[in-house]
Amino acid sequence: QQQVKQSPQSLIVQKGGISIINCAYENTAFDYFPWYQQFPGKGPALLIAIRPDVSEKKEGRFTISFNKSAKQFSLHIMDSQPGDSATYFCAAPGFNDYKLSFGAGTTVTVRA
Amino acid sequence: DAGVTQSPTHLIKTRGQQVTLRCSPKSGHDTVSWYQQALGQGPQFIFQYYEEEERQRGNFPDRFSGHQFPNYSSELNVNALLLGDSALYLCASSSGDSNQPQHFGDGTRLSIL
Repeated sequence: QQQVKQSPQSLIVQKGGISIINCAYENTAFDYFPWYQQFPGKGPALLIAIRPDVSEKKEGRFTISFNKSAKQFSLHIMDSQPGDSATYFCAAPGFNDYKLSFGAGTTVTVRA
Repeated sequence: DAGVTQSPTHLIKTRGQQVTLRCSPKSGHDTVSWYQQALGQGPQFIFQYYEEEERQRGNFPDRFSGHQFPNYSSELNVNALLLGDSALYLCASSSGDSNQPQHFGDGTRLSIL
């Protein structure tokens, strides 16, 4: 059973600042680790995903860092914008498992 | 390129009733997973369908059942509804016989009175 621990529960950042969200997983998986962005009343939208054979992936202002030995991965939102205000979820597949286990979510508020 | 579509958007039922939710996967995807998301929480895996069979099931009672059709669309059925079944039900699709990033629809908001 995959457990994913996500922190912090919420964070407030000024426009232009950096938001950092951390996740830790328990069981080793060899597929991918995604981050989802969810706005109120909408489903989670795939934001960025990383394969465990790379340590970092960047897409625009969003960067995932992956530490396989520590079983941790994090999301960095650079130059945060008010439109980034949303709830962010990390997820991890289990070992020999098709489901995704999600973290509890982090609510990010970007103040203008 | 249509994404994952779910219907209906909202639904109100009373305790003891039965409900059917529908999902059409993203074009090119053949695998459908269903998740339940309670308010303020992350999605919880219900089950996954691949090749019209339930491939894996989460910790949900038998009141939750599903089906996948030859065109890869899927239904989630919930019988004997309880107040605690009130949640956002999400469908996610992916492709291939291996773990690939799952893409979610906007869900069906189910309210039980």
